[in-house]
Amino acid sequence: GAGVSQSPSNKVTEKGKDVELRCDPISGHTALYWYRQSLGQGLEFLIYFQGNSAPDKSGLPSDRFSAERTGGSVSTLTIQRTQQEDSAVYLCASSSTGHGSYEQYFGPGTRLTVT
Amino acid sequence: AQSVTQLDSQVPVFEEAPVELRCNYSSSVSVYLFWYVQYPNQGLQLLLKYLSGSTLVKGINGFEAEFNKSQTSFHLRKPSVHISDTAEYFCAVSRNTGNQFYFGTGTSLTVIP
Repeated sequence: GAGVSQSPSNKVTEKGKDVELRCDPISGHTALYWYRQSLGQGLEFLIYFQGNSAPDKSGLPSDRFSAERTGGSVSTLTIQRTQQEDSAVYLCASSSTGHGSYEQYFGPGTRLTVT
Repeated sequence: AQSVTQLDSQVPVFEEAPVELRCNYSSSVSVYLFWYVQYPNQGLQLLLKYLSGSTLVKGINGFEAEFNKSQTSFHLRKPSVHISDTAEYFCAVSRNTGNQFYFGTGTSLTVIP
């Protein structure tokens, strides 16, 4: 079956511009996560969606970052007025929180470079 | 709150030698534990997980990990590594409600021929 997909795979943008990153989770997965992976920094949690519940936004680093999940499926992470420190790989993951599951399935990531 | 510590950022090991990658976590509640692997230029994939039951769990590619509740550890081991095991390994923990995950900073395993 299809896995988690993300687009674009690479994005180069100028400082100050807005960017949108897209994630298509595995069909039927109710949970969706966004992470940021910087060199030597591991995975930094950004935001978590679970079904129709209010998202957990506790990991968003500033108010320039926001995310939506439409219809409980596709998610978009938006970064406004990008800064050079936003350069990183942005990973999306989905999971099914049914009994015996819980592991996350990751997409290939979007590499964002802010020049 | 939970946190995960991977004590070694880089581990070089010779081919066919054993390896242990260390992971410690802090949590005041019951947790689920995971190891993920990221091969060069690839996405993360699940290596193994502990949800309940036997504290020794086996994963793909000959890896295994042991959950030690008293020491709050979940170390990853392999008795004999191959060149193809060269990758970044991440330990992760979540509460047993299965929502937010916390990842360690990763351990870079390099297998030397």
